[in-house]
Amino acid sequence: EDKVVQSPLSLVVHEGDTVTLNCSYEVTNFRSLLWYKQEKKAPTFLFMLTSSGIEKKSGRLSSILDKKELFSILNITATQTGDSAIYLCAVLRNSGNTPLVFGKGTRLSVIA
Amino acid sequence: KAGVTQTPRYLIKTRGQQVTLSCSPISGHRSVSWYQQTPGQGLQFLFEYFSETQRNKGNFPGRFSGRQFSNSRSEMNVSTLELGDSALYLCASSLAPQGAAEKLFFGSGTQLSVL
Repeated sequence: EDKVVQSPLSLVVHEGDTVTLNCSYEVTNFRSLLWYKQEKKAPTFLFMLTSSGIEKKSGRLSSILDKKELFSILNITATQTGDSAIYLCAVLRNSGNTPLVFGKGTRLSVIA
Repeated sequence: KAGVTQTPRYLIKTRGQQVTLSCSPISGHRSVSWYQQTPGQGLQFLFEYFSETQRNKGNFPGRFSGRQFSNSRSEMNVSTLELGDSALYLCASSLAPQGAAEKLFFGSGTQLSVL
């Protein structure tokens, strides 16, 4: 059965800390891995990763994919209270009944 | 350009009733997907429509159904509601079908509470 597992499920850090969120997957017909940020209701797109070892960066956020070990990490440096959200990892498949398989998310809380 | 619009935002129903949720995708997007999000299960895929045709369906009972209109707007229907159907229902749109799309754009969802 296809699955995407995120860890930790929740995390509380102080402003300025650096956090690493993990995502491992066992999915057939892998196409790409996506990260989303869900603050209130609508998940917003962060990164799409297709190739191993190539880091994607956007400001204080960065992510990398390891297709050999089947995992990805999302790093957030110098965290701010505005980073508090649920971070979702999803694997996009080339085919299959479930094109996009999501993990359960990591709930990040950043306290001042 | 307007984003994905879902209506209503909140809905309260009782067991046994049925409900219809609506989703208007981003202009020009022809693929609409529906997801159910609960705290215990995360986001689970319901179905995907592209050009008025259902392309994929997740592992949900037949009480969950949907359709897409010629203007790409989509509706999903849940009949004979159960308590366990309480969830946030998210709609996402993309230019191409999910298997070919680079990313999905999500709406703010409909929060359904079944009493």
